[in-house]
Amino acid sequence: SAVISQKPSRDICQRGTSLTIQCQVDSQVTMMFWYRQQPGQSLTLIATANQGSEATYESGFVIDKFPISRPNLTFSTLTVSNMSPEDSSIYLCSVEGTGGGTDTQYFGPGTRLTVL
Amino acid sequence: AQKVTQAQTEISVVEKEDVTLDCVYETRDTTYYLFWYKQPPSGELVFLIRRNSFDEQNEISGRYSWNFQKSTSSFNFTITASQVVDSAVYFCALVNYGQNFVFGPGTRLSVLP
Repeated sequence: SAVISQKPSRDICQRGTSLTIQCQVDSQVTMMFWYRQQPGQSLTLIATANQGSEATYESGFVIDKFPISRPNLTFSTLTVSNMSPEDSSIYLCSVEGTGGGTDTQYFGPGTRLTVL
Repeated sequence: AQKVTQAQTEISVVEKEDVTLDCVYETRDTTYYLFWYKQPPSGELVFLIRRNSFDEQNEISGRYSWNFQKSTSSFNFTITASQVVDSAVYFCALVNYGQNFVFGPGTRLSVLP
């Protein structure tokens, strides 16, 4: 299994500001994923981040709003830019299991964001 | 297109009752994986089980059991003798090889003492 940590665990931010969320994994992984979970909703994939290449964004999500960095095989950041109250969600980082392929997907504890 | 349906939005049971959470999926691929995750009130997602499309054997793990039936595209989850600590939102998810996870809407289970 993979142990994933996220910082911050929660934050309250003002409209128009930006927040960068960090995700650290205890082992090297090829693919890292960022999800959003709006209040009372299921998880929606924002983007897939591979080390050394541009992140791949899902429909409805754009790089200007959610820039992602992936500087190495154990770390990634997601920035929520120019925030509005609609961005209030839990943001989760995820990695595939060490078995490779689609064996399992492990999730970080999440970052609970509230935008006022 | 892939889709996961969890028709039960919320379920309430009394402790020690058995409860089954339904999951129905749609995919055109023959190779895929199904998952169940638990999200307790603390918010983290806990991996429960993975099942590939070629393995229809039912699985039991303690009080948990899973019934995978390709004929009905279902992957149902049963908790036997439920406990208060089982109270959580449970998500069923589907992934086709090399593609991204699709999560169902979740079922909120409340186990009352």
